[in-house]
Amino acid sequence: EPEVTQTPSHQVTQMGQEVILRCVPISNHLYFYWYRQILGQKVEFLVSFYNNEISEKSEIFDDQFSVERPDGSNFTLKIRSTKLEDSAMYFCASSKTYGAGNEQFFGPGTRLTVL
Amino acid sequence: AQSVAQPEDQVNVAEGNPLTVKCTYSVSGNPYLFWYVQYPNRGLQFLLKYITGDNLVKGSYGFEAEFNKSQTSFHLKKPSALVSDSALYFCALTGFQKLVFGTGTRLLVSP
Repeated sequence: EPEVTQTPSHQVTQMGQEVILRCVPISNHLYFYWYRQILGQKVEFLVSFYNNEISEKSEIFDDQFSVERPDGSNFTLKIRSTKLEDSAMYFCASSKTYGAGNEQFFGPGTRLTVL
Repeated sequence: AQSVAQPEDQVNVAEGNPLTVKCTYSVSGNPYLFWYVQYPNRGLQFLLKYITGDNLVKGSYGFEAEFNKSQTSFHLKKPSALVSDSALYFCALTGFQKLVFGTGTRLLVSP
């Protein structure tokens, strides 16, 4: 069964450093998403991406964040200058279809720790 | 604004007993509701969804959920719990693209 994969599983970085979180969505999916979960809090939407463009983003997704699909398989989330409050579990997801009721498939997550 | 509430941080049930994990929602317009499960070191796995139609939705692993519009609820149920059902369960809704999640409920099924 196809799965969304994410690397690394755990990333530790110093405050102010740039990090890139990587995801490989399911191969025939066209819509991609990033979510994050701060420890003990809700899973929160960050951004959705389709056809090489951001289609929706939350207020969390500020100028420090960017997403890219650099090739036909990877989908990346970059945080330019990490802050302590960026420490969280980051989940990538993908879906085949678009719109209400679409089923999103999630990866196992990357735990980001900012020191 | 859309929101989902899961009032219980943890639900404990004995194996073989029925289980219910509660979820209530707030949304303007038609709700599109989901349940996801998270096992340790795994991503969120889709269990079931309600879009329209029958209020009782059947999903994976013997789970089902009952949509109740008057109570704005979408409780997850299973007639007979298994120890392997122990996991973190998330209720979510979607308006169009993004999923809005509840805080999650940890289900512990004891042997």
